[in-house]
Amino acid sequence: DAKTTQPTSMDCAEGRAANLPCNHSTISGNEYVYWYRQIHSQGPQYIIHGLKNNETNEMASLIITEDRKSSTLILPHATLRDTAVYYCIVIDTGNQFYFGTGTSLTVIP
Amino acid sequence: DAGVIQSPRHEVTEMGQEVTLRCKPISGHDYLFWYRQTMMRGLELLIYFNNNVPIDDSGMPEDRFSAKMPNASFSTLKIQPSEPRDSAVYFCATRTSGAKNIQYFGAGTRLSVL
Repeated sequence: DAKTTQPTSMDCAEGRAANLPCNHSTISGNEYVYWYRQIHSQGPQYIIHGLKNNETNEMASLIITEDRKSSTLILPHATLRDTAVYYCIVIDTGNQFYFGTGTSLTVIP
Repeated sequence: DAGVIQSPRHEVTEMGQEVTLRCKPISGHDYLFWYRQTMMRGLELLIYFNNNVPIDDSGMPEDRFSAKMPNASFSTLKIQPSEPRDSAVYFCATRTSGAKNIQYFGAGTRLSVL
């Protein structure tokens, strides 16, 4: 079941920040927001996840709104290698990941 | 660690033949997942195991599909007999049972059934 809504595609200039939005208005209190990406012809790759607080790691930052109904994945300095499909997933501790259609991000030189 | 290892990377077969896809999980990971990805349906969970035991196979499309995990180091997904509509990329993913629900994916097997 689709618990998230993402734009189909986005472009970003190389070196600029890429901000990928995700709506999850029906998220419940124990559900986390996960982000994965899939570079062409590869398996999906974990990026980051969060529950309530904003999170940052070596790949990206995750900003979750206070009401938790939406979030934004930020790639601070996009490179051509960041061109991929980005999936926003909402899930509790279960194992039924629903990937949806994701956002196809194209980083433009 | 070498990550999740899948074999073969590519498989071309004829309709009616048996196909076996293989997966070696990351050492110490006690959950293993099989996914199928097509243009029409995206990435779908087929089945997953915990400690070598199948937990949920509700995503398996039909009886022609079967999956086994005889030990913690190996799993197979078998299609018998194969059909052209089974053409897809099949991914294996694994994770630990810890709090972080992070799945690590293999490179996938691209199956073409002619």
